[in-house]
Amino acid sequence: KQEVTQIPAALSVPEGENLVLNCSFTDSAIYNLQWFRQDPGKGLTSLLLIQSSQREQTSGRLNASLDKSSGRSTLYIAASQPGDSATYLCAGPRNRDDKIIFGKGTRLHILP
Amino acid sequence: NAGVTQTPKFQVLKTGQSMTLQCAQDMNHEYMSWYRQDPGMGLRLIHYSVGAGITDQGEVPNGYNVSRSTTEDFPLRLLSAAPSQTSVYFCASRKGRWGTNEKLFFGSGTQLSVL
Repeated sequence: KQEVTQIPAALSVPEGENLVLNCSFTDSAIYNLQWFRQDPGKGLTSLLLIQSSQREQTSGRLNASLDKSSGRSTLYIAASQPGDSATYLCAGPRNRDDKIIFGKGTRLHILP
Repeated sequence: NAGVTQTPKFQVLKTGQSMTLQCAQDMNHEYMSWYRQDPGMGLRLIHYSVGAGITDQGEVPNGYNVSRSTTEDFPLRLLSAAPSQTSVYFCASRKGRWGTNEKLFFGSGTQLSVL
């Protein structure tokens, strides 16, 4: 059974700092991994999708990596801004499995 | 492009009542799914569908029914609502199955309270 863990559950950092959010999965047969952002009371917005054949994916100040052998993915946010405050979630399907399982998320607060 | 549309946005039910949460997508997506989100529990998969006429159970299927008669629609039915089903429900869709590297898109959610 695939389990996805995100550590830490919450994080507060001053504006301007670079930061890393972590996502671990128990089954290395994960096919791809997607990072989402959720603002309070809102739905989920897709940030980055790392395909099974990729190791990294970048969009603006965001960079996500995937290491299937170690069962880990990281989301790197450069030069953090107060508008980055949100909950960040990771999710992915296993090989040959259509169930997409989510971590519980990391609640990020950027201090002005 | 509307994307994934969920209705209603808010709903209050009494224990034992039934209702259907609606989900529609206009992107011709093959894969659709329902999640519930509870504080401290994260998002948990209820049911999913890989095409019209094909549905399967997720992590927490008890108390919920689904059907997929068209590609566009994937309603979630609560046959006899219980207070434990108080939650925020999200519908999501994706173009293809596990072997495709396509993003999962979410609706804006339905906040359900069962009294």
